[in-house]
Amino acid sequence: QVQLVQSGAEVKKPGASVKVSCKASGYTSTSYALHWVRQAPGQSLEWMGWINVGNGDTKYSQKFQGRVSITRDTSASTAYMELSSLRSEDTAVFYCARSAFDIWGQGSMVTVSS
Amino acid sequence: DVVMTQSPLSLPVTLGQPASISCRSSQSLVYSDGNTYLTWFQQRPGQSPRRLIHKASNRDSGVPDRFSGSGSGTDFTLKISRVEAGDVGVYYCMQGAHWPITFGQGTRLEIK
Repeated sequence: QVQLVQSGAEVKKPGASVKVSCKASGYTSTSYALHWVRQAPGQSLEWMGWINVGNGDTKYSQKFQGRVSITRDTSASTAYMELSSLRSEDTAVFYCARSAFDIWGQGSMVTVSS
Repeated sequence: DVVMTQSPLSLPVTLGQPASISCRSSQSLVYSDGNTYLTWFQQRPGQSPRRLIHKASNRDSGVPDRFSGSGSGTDFTLKISRVEAGDVGVYYCMQGAHWPITFGQGTRLEIK
């Protein structure tokens, strides 16, 4: 079936980077874009950026510009979101979602703590 | 950025009764292609968001017809005709007509 499977939970120290993966299956991954969305504990959803999986074009929210990088490996049907210079406020669940937000990954919990 | 304002933020509802959530955007969500890019999501406790309604009024496959979306321009509504126990969770609206994509604050639906 069509699904997005994300990597597991991570614990990072302030100032470090984290890289979260999102593997697509059940459809042709290069035919759809992928979004990344952050959800801090008890908070709403926050769009971080988007990648055109077919050609690799990206677009980022100004809020995360300079700290986020979204890439993809078409041979592995996998996209990646790397967030650098982590701070405690980045503690959140990170989701990937297919282009029209019709399919979501299960979420990856990232905890930033010294 | 386009600001999405939902109301109410908390919605206690009796089982079997209707519920309504409002979402207002700070700019029109009508895109140059003529479509209105307003989406509604349901997030049950501990789960990923699930898309319910796209392009303001198109219900997704598998979504009960108790859920309906309406509205145009900057003013949108999600209605649940008869609330069931499984509807408990947080409901979000999202606009996709302008970069960056933005979400509402969420409306927490609970059973009274």
